[in-house]
Amino acid sequence: EVQLVQSGAEVKKPGESLKISCKGSGYSFTTHWIGWVRQMPGKGLEWMGIIYPDDSDTKYSPSFQGQVTISADKSITTAYLQWSSLKASDTAIYYCARHGSSSWPAPYDYWGQGTLVTVSS
Amino acid sequence: QSVLTQPPSASGTPGQRVSISCSGSSSNIGIYTVHWYQQVPGTAPQLLIYNNNQRPSGVPDRFSGSKSGTSASLAISGLQSEDEADYYCAGWDDSLNGVVFGGGTKLTVL
Repeated sequence: EVQLVQSGAEVKKPGESLKISCKGSGYSFTTHWIGWVRQMPGKGLEWMGIIYPDDSDTKYSPSFQGQVTISADKSITTAYLQWSSLKASDTAIYYCARHGSSSWPAPYDYWGQGTLVTVSS
Repeated sequence: QSVLTQPPSASGTPGQRVSISCSGSSSNIGIYTVHWYQQVPGTAPQLLIYNNNQRPSGVPDRFSGSKSGTSASLAISGLQSEDEADYYCAGWDDSLNGVVFGGGTKLTVL
């Protein structure tokens, strides 16, 4: 069974750093792109970027380029999303999702449960 | 402002057919397939329709998708109360070299 299990909710202060995780299981982790999607409170889905775990090839949305870092450790089948200095406006639920293996660009066929990040002084 | 444009809301009564539109451009829907996601409040999105009109295993055939030119549409027939959710269209955009989502449509079953 394909699963993406994300790390738990975080409460941070502005200026702090954070790294959240997404562990894949039940499939070949290295051969599927993994994406990160932000959902701010009461708002829609925003694409942040994707990573190919086999070689860590990464693409970022222009809106998030330079604001976050996406990485992966294929040895432990885990993808990461990190911030070096959080802002209050980073408060949101962050989802990881797997691109399927049908013709590219493939849809997100499996999603993590989401990680709530709250940034408040 | 989302790259793909959806109506913010839609509604229908049980048993009715409703349709949700998704408008894009020649750099996204015009050249790539469209996918639809359903998000029940408080839960993660789920794939509902992929490659314009394909249903993943387990999705009822009450849900259907279509695409024409730079627009796509999701139709739900035999509306049920459990269909009340937010619906998002999505696809790839060549100009942004990434995934684009519609702003989402909140479906209310009256």
